[in-house]
Amino acid sequence: GAVVSQHPSWVICKSGTSVKIECRSLDFQATTMFWYRQFPKQSLMLMATSNEGSKATYEQGVEKDKFLINHASLTLSTLTVTSAHPEDSSFYICSAVLGGGYTFGSGTRLTVV
Amino acid sequence: AQSVAQPEDQVNVAEGNPLTVKCTYSVSGNPYLFWYVQYPNRGLQFLLKYITGDNLVKGSYGFEAEFNKSQTSFHLKKPSALVSDSALYFCAVRDGPAGNTPLVFGKGTRLSVIA
Repeated sequence: GAVVSQHPSWVICKSGTSVKIECRSLDFQATTMFWYRQFPKQSLMLMATSNEGSKATYEQGVEKDKFLINHASLTLSTLTVTSAHPEDSSFYICSAVLGGGYTFGSGTRLTVV
Repeated sequence: AQSVAQPEDQVNVAEGNPLTVKCTYSVSGNPYLFWYVQYPNRGLQFLLKYITGDNLVKGSYGFEAEFNKSQTSFHLKKPSALVSDSALYFCAVRDGPAGNTPLVFGKGTRLSVIA
């Protein structure tokens, strides 16, 4: 079936550095990708919606300059956490619209030390 | 705006017993309802969805859910729980058919099946 490949699955970075998370749709074209953030034992909170070839739409309270989203092709969307700080440590998941439903990446565990 | 409530943080059930994970929703239009399961440090796996039609929806791994419009509920059920069903379960809703609309998730319910 259709798969969204998300990389890396986990990353540890130093405070102040930037981290890029990639989501690739492997056998379909993802015109829309959603990026979620999940805190421990909590639900998935929508961060932003990215559409291929246009600027991402960010949810209220999400800093667009900190969480840079690029959706330059129909098979690749990236989330870059810039100048990461320990409070950015979280589990990030992408999701693509597919048919009448959604398919999710496997998630990225980001730890900022 | 749409919302989902999962009133139970944790559900414990003995292996072989039936299980129910509760979900209620609020939307302004027609609800599109989903259940997902998440294992530790993994993405979400699709279990089932309700779009239209029969109120009883059958999904993956023996799970089913019943759509109840009057009670605005979409509880997840399984007749006989397995230890391997232990995981985090999310109910989610989308308001209407627009495909490019994100899902809104409940807070999740942790299911623990005890051998």
